[in-house]
Formats: sequence, structure tokens, C-alpha cells
Amino acid sequence: EDKVVQSPLSLVVHEGDTVTLNCSYEVTNFRSLLWYKQEKKAPTFLFMLTSSGIEKKSGRLSSILDKKELFSILNITATQTGDSAVYLCAVGIAGGTSYGKLTFGQGTILTVHP
Amino acid sequence: DGGITQSPKYLFRKEGQNVTLSCEQNLNHDAMYWYRQDPGQGLRLIYYSQIVNDFQKGDIAEGYSVSREKKESFPLTVTSAQKNPTAFYLCASSSDRRIDSNYGYTFGSGTRLTVV
Repeated sequence: EDKVVQSPLSLVVHEGDTVTLNCSYEVTNFRSLLWYKQEKKAPTFLFMLTSSGIEKKSGRLSSILDKKELFSILNITATQTGDSAVYLCAVGIAGGTSYGKLTFGQGTILTVHP
Repeated sequence: DGGITQSPKYLFRKEGQNVTLSCEQNLNHDAMYWYRQDPGQGLRLIYYSQIVNDFQKGDIAEGYSVSREKKESFPLTVTSAQKNPTAFYLCASSSDRRIDSNYGYTFGSGTRLTVV
């Protein structure tokens, strides 16, 4: 059974702190790993990672994948109250009728206090 | 602008009733998906469809049914057999059966279903 596990499940920090969110996975036929930010309704796309060791960056957010150890991290530096959200990790599976299907982790609830 | 429209945003259902959640996309995406989200459990896949007139069960299909008669539409029916239907339901679509593009999935804004 495909499994994606995120940690921690919740995190409370103050503005300016740096946070690291973790995502580990056990899936057959890994294709890609995606990070999403969910505030109230629909998740918004952050990153897609397919290759090990290549960091993706967008402003204060960055992410990297380790396909040997089967995990990814999402870093947020100089956090702001607007970063408060649920961060979702998802893994895409390749092949057969599962092509395009995403398996999600439980999410990490990040709360940033002023 | 292209996107996914889910309706209604809020839905109340009496126990024993079937309800249908609408999902329409104008992105010309081949694949569409239904997820359920409960607090602390992330998103779980209910059903997905990669082409018209074909769909597959996801991880928690029991008590749900879908149809895919048109490329643009993928309605989800929550039947009375679903024992705990109160949840947030998200519809998504992706192109070419693949998600090898930086935008990944496109999600709708969700329907919050409450059983009263």
C-alpha cells in the first residue's frame, strides 16, 4: 500500500523563525513529489520534485528531494503570519491505471504568531 | 479564465439521502479526481477518471458513485451507504494523464458537506 507520512503534524512558531517540514514516502513506481499550501479551501501548488538533490526555490520557500532515503523537506525562512496554513505533501505514481493519481500525506498545520 | 467549478460550496443532507456534488472544468484536462478531506487526515482519493466513460475506485470508494459522460464533468454522488459523509470534498483535474508539469493538479474550491 502506498504511504506518505508528514511530520510534524502541527507546528507553532513566531514571525522570523525558519521552519522545516518533512515528508517521507513508501510507494511503488514513484514519479514525482508535490508540495501544496492550503489556507481555507483549495490547495495551491508550491513545488514539484522529480530528481534527487536539486533544490527548488520560490522566494522564502525551498524544497529538495532525496530519492534514496525516500523523503523530501520544505523549508520556509523568515516566516510571516501569511505562511500560516496546512502544508500538504503528495506523491505521484507512474504506470497502469494509477497514472496521474496522487497519494497525500496528513498535512502539517503551520501557525505563525506575530 | 480556465478552471474548475465545484458546486454547491456548502451542502446539508439528512441521513438516508443521496446527494450529488458537481465538478466542471474548462481546462480540457483528460483526468479528473475526487478527494475527501477530514481534519488531520490530509486528502484521500475517492474516485478518479482518466478518460470519458471510464473511472477507477480510489482508496475510499465505498458509499460513493461517479460518472464521466463528458470530458468537462465528473459528478460525485454520496449515497446513503456512506456511513460518515460529513467532510470537505475536493475535485481536481490534470492534463494528459500525467503530472509532469510544474503546475501539477488544478483543484476546485471544494464542497463542505454536513449531515444533519
